[in-house]
Amino acid sequence: DAKTTQPTSMDCAEGRAANLPCNHSTISGNEYVYWYRQIHSQGPQYIIHGLKNNETNEMASLIITEDRKSSTLILPHATLRDTAVYYCIVRVAGSGNTPLVFGKGTRLSVIA
Amino acid sequence: DAEITQSPRHKITETGRQVTLACHQTWNHNNMFWYRQDLGHGLRLIHYSYGVQDTNKGEVSDGYSVSRSNTEDLPLTLESAASSQTSVYFCASSRSQGGNEQYFGPGTRLTVT
Repeated sequence: DAKTTQPTSMDCAEGRAANLPCNHSTISGNEYVYWYRQIHSQGPQYIIHGLKNNETNEMASLIITEDRKSSTLILPHATLRDTAVYYCIVRVAGSGNTPLVFGKGTRLSVIA
Repeated sequence: DAEITQSPRHKITETGRQVTLACHQTWNHNNMFWYRQDLGHGLRLIHYSYGVQDTNKGEVSDGYSVSRSNTEDLPLTLESAASSQTSVYFCASSRSQGGNEQYFGPGTRLTVT
């Protein structure tokens, strides 16, 4: 799996959009970008994944650059409950039998 | 609703004792994983299984063992607990075919004194 680089921490005001960047310059053509988050003391939770087109679901949007070397996870209206560590992971899609490789992630603090 | 559970949620044990942490999922997933999480290290893979009777070692498997006798359960055993195994342990499961998402349990906090 390709290595990813994320900022250690970020702050976001409640109600504003939270934009979390991720660099993955060595991503391969068949690798997708996945995002998970871990709220304090809970197990990680899947958020979204994508290959090259922008993706949106009920939790977030994922913007992937045209060269696929970086991406941004967007939480459109951050709430206090979005305070968590966010992990960007690159791996082959449909590889449900492949263990996840977690980096340090970005600690997002949503501030009232 | 289908779910993944872990027990116990908290455990204190003494050095040298054998400890077993339970993981049970009701999604009928073939793939199951055990991770540990420590400050400064993030989540690291201990063992994983792709189905009944299948087990594989992960990045930090020394001192741990797993067995898979049915689809629903993957118990993690610490043969002789050491203080270095004080950690939070997470179990996860996923589908085999086309699976994108891993579902994680709530975790077990283990303290070895």
